[in-house]
Amino acid sequence: AQSVAQPEDQVNVAEGNPLTVKCTYSVSGNLYLFWYVQYPNRGLQFLLKYITGDNLVKGSYGFEAEFNKSQTSFHLKKPSALVSDSALYFCAVRPLQTGANNLFFGTGTRLTVIP
Amino acid sequence: KAGVTQTPRYLIKTRGQQVTLSCSPISGHRSVSWYQQTPGQGLQFLFEYFSETQRNKGNFPGRFSGRQFSNSRSEMNVSTLELGDSALYLCASSFLAETNTGELFFGEGSRLTVL
Repeated sequence: AQSVAQPEDQVNVAEGNPLTVKCTYSVSGNLYLFWYVQYPNRGLQFLLKYITGDNLVKGSYGFEAEFNKSQTSFHLKKPSALVSDSALYFCAVRPLQTGANNLFFGTGTRLTVIP
Repeated sequence: KAGVTQTPRYLIKTRGQQVTLSCSPISGHRSVSWYQQTPGQGLQFLFEYFSETQRNKGNFPGRFSGRQFSNSRSEMNVSTLELGDSALYLCASSFLAETNTGELFFGEGSRLTVL
């Protein structure tokens, strides 16, 4: 079965420090990987995606993510956290062999950046 | 370019009633997907429509249904509402093409409360 795991429900980091939000997946075959962010009472906003090529992908608002095929991980990172980064972050996977356009989401990680 | 528009944003219903939610995708987008978001279950895929046809369906009971119109606008309907149907319902659209990378653009959601 396809699954996405975000092992940490909550991540706290001090403003200015680097942040990491973890994601691992269990999906067979080729896939696309995504990170989305959700602010309170809002929909999901696309941050970045991995399709193919360079394992380090850069996205919006200074975020980046590293695809590690051997560890089946796609951790989200930012060198210096801002208070405005506080939000709910979702990792998502789209398996390609199904031909479908739906994403499998992790359960989300709430990031709190402490001033 | 206008984003994905969902209406209504908030609604309250009682058990046994039915509800219809509407989604207008980004202009030119032909694929519309629906997701249910709850604190306990996270984001769960409901169904996807493309060119007025349901292409993919998640694991939800038959009380949940949807349709897509020729202008790509979509509606979802939930009949015989249950307390557990209280959730944020998110609509997402994408431009499906050969080079489609599966990136979804989400609306702000319709928050349904069932009393």
